[in-house]
Amino acid sequence: AQSVTQPDIHITVSEGASLELRCNYSYGATPYLFWYVQSPGQGLQLLLKYFSGDTLVQGIKGFEAEFKRSQSSFNLRKPSVHWSDAAEYFCAVGSRSGYSTLTFGKGTMLLVSP
Amino acid sequence: DGGITQSPKYLFRKEGQNVTLSCEQNLNHDAMYWYRQDPGQGLRLIYYSQIVNDFQKGDIAEGYSVSREKKESFPLTVTSAQKNPTAFYLCASSPGQERPQHFGDGTRLSIL
Repeated sequence: AQSVTQPDIHITVSEGASLELRCNYSYGATPYLFWYVQSPGQGLQLLLKYFSGDTLVQGIKGFEAEFKRSQSSFNLRKPSVHWSDAAEYFCAVGSRSGYSTLTFGKGTMLLVSP
Repeated sequence: DGGITQSPKYLFRKEGQNVTLSCEQNLNHDAMYWYRQDPGQGLRLIYYSQIVNDFQKGDIAEGYSVSREKKESFPLTVTSAQKNPTAFYLCASSPGQERPQHFGDGTRLSIL
């Protein structure tokens, strides 16, 4: 069975500093990988996705993520955090076999300090 | 604008009562999903449907039921058998394989 681990429950970053959110997955082959963001009381918005090809993927709002097969990781990065980035971030993995459902990590809450 | 509409935004359930959460999409997506979100637990899949008149149980289907009579609609009923229904419920849809899921804004269900 596939699974996702987001090791950090909370992360606090100063505005303007760089950000890296960790995501490790367990899956027998190369999965589909996603990062979503959720503001309080809202639904999830897709930041970026990896299906195949270039292992460094660019997303919206200046985010990027790198797929590392050897480490089973898909970490999310941003070079300079803005106060509006404060939200909860979810990593998700989808199966390539059959019809894909997603398995989500438990999320990382990002706090941005002035 | 195309999107997913969940209603109501807030819902209260009395003991022993069934309640139905609405999810409508105008994206012409084939697949639809229901998730439950609890603090610190991420999203857990309740039910999903790939086509009209067909649906499958997810990881936590007990105490819930769904129907898919129309492509656009995928209502979720929280039955009295669900003993801990207080949560945030999210509906999503997807056009198919290799395509990401799009989410509604959720319904927060509480017990009176």
